[in-house]
Amino acid sequence: DGGITQSPKYLFRKEGQNVTLSCEQNLNHDAMYWYRQDPGQGLRLIYYSQIVNDFQKGDIAEGYSVSREKKESFPLTVTSAQKNPTAFYLCASSRDRGYTFGSGTRLTVV
Amino acid sequence: GDSVTQMEGPVTLSEEAFLTINCTYTATGYPSLFWYVQYPGEGLQLLLKATKADDKGSNKGFEATYRKETTSFHLEKGSVQVSDSAVYFCALIAYNQGGKLIFGQGTELSVKP
Repeated sequence: DGGITQSPKYLFRKEGQNVTLSCEQNLNHDAMYWYRQDPGQGLRLIYYSQIVNDFQKGDIAEGYSVSREKKESFPLTVTSAQKNPTAFYLCASSRDRGYTFGSGTRLTVV
Repeated sequence: GDSVTQMEGPVTLSEEAFLTINCTYTATGYPSLFWYVQYPGEGLQLLLKATKADDKGSNKGFEATYRKETTSFHLEKGSVQVSDSAVYFCALIAYNQGGKLIFGQGTELSVKP
């Protein structure tokens, strides 16, 4: 079955460390997105990519980085520069106005 | 820029009660509108959508009508069940911003037996 796979489901990071969240899709979607979810704030866009080897900053890109070397993959790196990284991270892909979301990764900084 | 505003939660209802969750939007042009549902610990699932004015989206007993004159897309269900307990997000596609989804802040619904 086609879908989006995010891994891991739970992730713990020490302060000062970079960490990479995985997002893989087999839907043949061109566009991919990363959102951050905090309680009571809805979802905010971090980065998005509409084609391979190209991506744009979203509303809250500071402290994050991405790459899009393959159509299927859009990993997100949370760097030590992100001041408050503890959150739920959702990856999505889209084609022709149809969005599909992954099941999310919960990142906790300890 | 484009934005979505939802009524604040949490909303607590008894089983079989009528549900309304208000959603209004600000956008240039005529965006497509969506309702997503998120169950605890999971990602988002598309509940329903509408792509033009006066369209009614419906799914699993939920309905929402795209009202251009009031820039609204309120979610309704005639009789809620305990299994409807979740967080509901209203969203629009901002075509002038790379096709990204813009979300409201979410409304938590809790249905008691």
